[in-house]
This record gives sequence, C-alpha cells and structure tokens, in this order.
Amino acid sequence: IVLTQSPGTLSLSPGERATLSCRASDNIRSDFLAWYQQIPGQAPRLLMYGVSNRATGIPDRFSGSGSGTDFTLTIGSLEPEDVAVYYCQHYSGSPKTFGQGTKVEVK
Amino acid sequence: EAQLVESGGGLVQPGGSLRLSCVGSGFSLRGYWMSWVRQRPGKGLEWVANTNIDGNLKEYLDSVTGRFTISRDVAEDSLYLQLDNLRDDDTGIYYCVTDYYNYFKDWGQGTLVTVSS
Repeated sequence: IVLTQSPGTLSLSPGERATLSCRASDNIRSDFLAWYQQIPGQAPRLLMYGVSNRATGIPDRFSGSGSGTDFTLTIGSLEPEDVAVYYCQHYSGSPKTFGQGTKVEVK
Repeated sequence: EAQLVESGGGLVQPGGSLRLSCVGSGFSLRGYWMSWVRQRPGKGLEWVANTNIDGNLKEYLDSVTGRFTISRDVAEDSLYLQLDNLRDDDTGIYYCVTDYYNYFKDWGQGTLVTVSS
C-alpha cells in the first residue's frame, strides 16, 4: 500500500487549524493507521494509532479521523512547538509503509 | 527517563558489514515485538525488519532480505541488526523501535550508518 501525504508543506500562523491528509492506494482494514511527529533533530514519536487514538502524553489539540483510503490529522490550534514533519503509516499488512511526510511550519 | 539506545553505526565501504545493537535504558525489550526502521537522507521513514518476542519469527523488507539479519538476545535484553553486503543506498539513520501491534510506539535516538568508498 502506497501512502500519499498532502500538502508537502503547510505554513500557518499560531492558533490556526492545520489539516494534514494521508491517502492510501488501497483500503486500510480495521483502521490500522498511525501518525508520527518528527521535530527537527529528533527521532520520530508516535502521535496517533488506530486512526483516532492519541498516544500517551499527546495533547488533545491533535486529532485523527478517516477510514478506508482517506485519513486526516488535525492540529486544532497550532503551537510553535508543533513545527515538525508528520508521517502517516499503515499497518494493514506487510510491508508496513510510511507516507512521505508533511512539513508544518509556523509563521 | 526510559529509552531505547542504539549503537554500532559508522562509516563502511560498499560490500562491508556492520552490526547494530539496541538496549533499553530503564526500559526492558522483553515482552515486545521489535523492529528496525531507517531514514535515508532526504527521504522518509522505512520499516526494515521485525522480530517477535522470542526471536524465532522474523520479517524483512524485500530490498534487505538476504543481506540483513535481525536477532535478539532475550537473556541480555538486547536487539541486533547485522548488515552485510552494504550498498550506498543503505546509508541512513537506523532506529530501534517497539513494534506494538504493528505500529511503532517507542523509538531510540538512532544510529547513523554511512556506506561510502
């Protein structure tokens, strides 16, 4: 399954809503989709799993939605510390693949 | 702070070998499936290999099958990745991760592998 993320880069002001898209080339069964955040210079960290479940310690301004082939990560009110690259990943079969990432910038 | 710690990366010539290691600091690998995920320069993330709790089931990305070997030492609470016949495009940061129901819950800081003549 190929995951295509859009846009490539998102540049928004603090407090604005960020909407990141992840589209799959085939149906993702059982909501087996996760999101990761990679802050510059750091390792990735798990944000969401099972489409809409926040990982431990993730603030509630992050939310996930979608099903089938179309998924969305929303940052409800952008904070300066949200500057990062965000990756989606499916685990609906092997190999588990990632999208190419969306870079979020804060103006 | 509990974390995964990788080591063993470095500079190696094409065709050469490296052995990556991963241990937990304040964290036990026992009871988790484990994976290696890599990030090649200018590219995104790529799952490379995983193994089950006992280390007797292993799965690999097609492009590394026959060249990379994942293993674990349950007694030593460690994870390994043997990289043989390395190619230029194997260059990247290799992360040790807990493979938690097939998503990646805990990440190490990564170890850099550079394949170059």
